[in-house]
Amino acid sequence: GAVVSQHPSRVICKSGTSVKIECRSLDFQATTMFWYRQFPKQSLMLMATSNEGSKATYEQGVEKDKFLINHASLTLSTLTVTSAHPEDSSFYICSAGKYWGGSNQPQHFGDGTRLSIL
Amino acid sequence: EDQVTQSPEALRLQEGESSSLNCSYTVSGLRGLFWYRQDPGKGPEFLFTLYSAGEEKEKERLKATLTKKESFLHITAPKPEDSATYLCAVQVAGGTSYGKLTFGQGTILTVHP
Repeated sequence: GAVVSQHPSRVICKSGTSVKIECRSLDFQATTMFWYRQFPKQSLMLMATSNEGSKATYEQGVEKDKFLINHASLTLSTLTVTSAHPEDSSFYICSAGKYWGGSNQPQHFGDGTRLSIL
Repeated sequence: EDQVTQSPEALRLQEGESSSLNCSYTVSGLRGLFWYRQDPGKGPEFLFTLYSAGEEKEKERLKATLTKKESFLHITAPKPEDSATYLCAVQVAGGTSYGKLTFGQGTILTVHP
């Protein structure tokens, strides 16, 4: 199946630090990338949708100035958690999809980034 | 509002004991229903896509079916390695974010040897 690489897999840093997470689609060109947050024993919560070359669309309640998303190419999207605080600690997962001409191919997910803010 | 509800929340089976997981959905218009498997500390792994009522897909011990209101994931003669969280997600027709998925809460499956 399609491969999506997410890096780093784990980050531990001090409060106030900004953290960048990368998401790469390795074997296909992703028109759209999605960023999710997952709390323990809960399902995935969509944070934002990012189309290549466009501004990200954020879900209600997600601070766009806090979670900066860049999708500069068809294979790379980044999520930057700015001035992270302990409440930002979570499991962040990206996914990539390819949508041409009305197709609805499945999203393929990275293996997530465990972010711990001290 | 689009809703996806999975049941049961947790399911414990003995190896070889077949069972089914349920995913009920209420959406304005279904474009596709997706099943994923998620292992602890990992991202979801794609299993199946179903597009229309009556459709069925199979892969090894897993079989997914779809009606107009729900989907079932049937597990035949499960093995311990089938233990995982199984997630159901729907893609709704229309909307501003093409491809956006709405996930259920998941079913945690544990298969004992």
